[in-house]
Amino acid sequence: DAGVTQSPTHLIKTRGQQVTLRCSPISGHKSVSWYQQVLGQGPQFIFQYYEKEERGRGNFPDRFSARQFPNYSSELNVNALLLGDSALYLCASNNWGGGDEQFFGPGTRLTVL
Amino acid sequence: GQQVMQIPQYQHVQEGEDFTTYCNSSTTLSNIQWYKQRPGGHPVFLIQLVKSGEVKKQKRLTFQFGEAKKNSSLHITATQTTDVGTYFCAGPRGGSQGNLIFGKGTKLSVKP
Repeated sequence: DAGVTQSPTHLIKTRGQQVTLRCSPISGHKSVSWYQQVLGQGPQFIFQYYEKEERGRGNFPDRFSARQFPNYSSELNVNALLLGDSALYLCASNNWGGGDEQFFGPGTRLTVL
Repeated sequence: GQQVMQIPQYQHVQEGEDFTTYCNSSTTLSNIQWYKQRPGGHPVFLIQLVKSGEVKKQKRLTFQFGEAKKNSSLHITATQTTDVGTYFCAGPRGGSQGNLIFGKGTKLSVKP
């Protein structure tokens, strides 16, 4: 079975631009969470979606938004990029109700210049 | 707010030596999870502990969950070069499944 997939792998943007990151969960998983991982730190929770509804939001500004589609894939959008948004963005899927294990994708490395 | 702390931040060992990382939460956790992230990789789930005082073993890895369900440890016996990576503990925020609070991790390097 395919694991969690994310695209693109790497992305370079300039300050003020907007970016969209994409995630496809493991087949059968209906829950998707997004995390931001700055170099040398643990992942920080941004959003969780389950059955296309937002189930949790971390302490991130409104410039960050997300959505989940009927096929359970998800997009993370970040507007008005700042230098501090440079990070590895991780998507994790979970078999809601079937265990707490989070399956992480390979991540998207975003660099803001 | 809820916090999860890990020590040490870095650990350098000679191959064959043991390694331990400690995790402490500011609040009681319903469960604690451990993840390993290889250099350049993504976090990979190792184990989940749920019960107070629980001890689980995976080959050379031993995981413990404290009696108060606020602390945990991971011990690796006789480290190997394949153990290199950063080990994170994580607990659910407010009991929410997909909303995990991660510690800053312990980065393990192993000298052959």
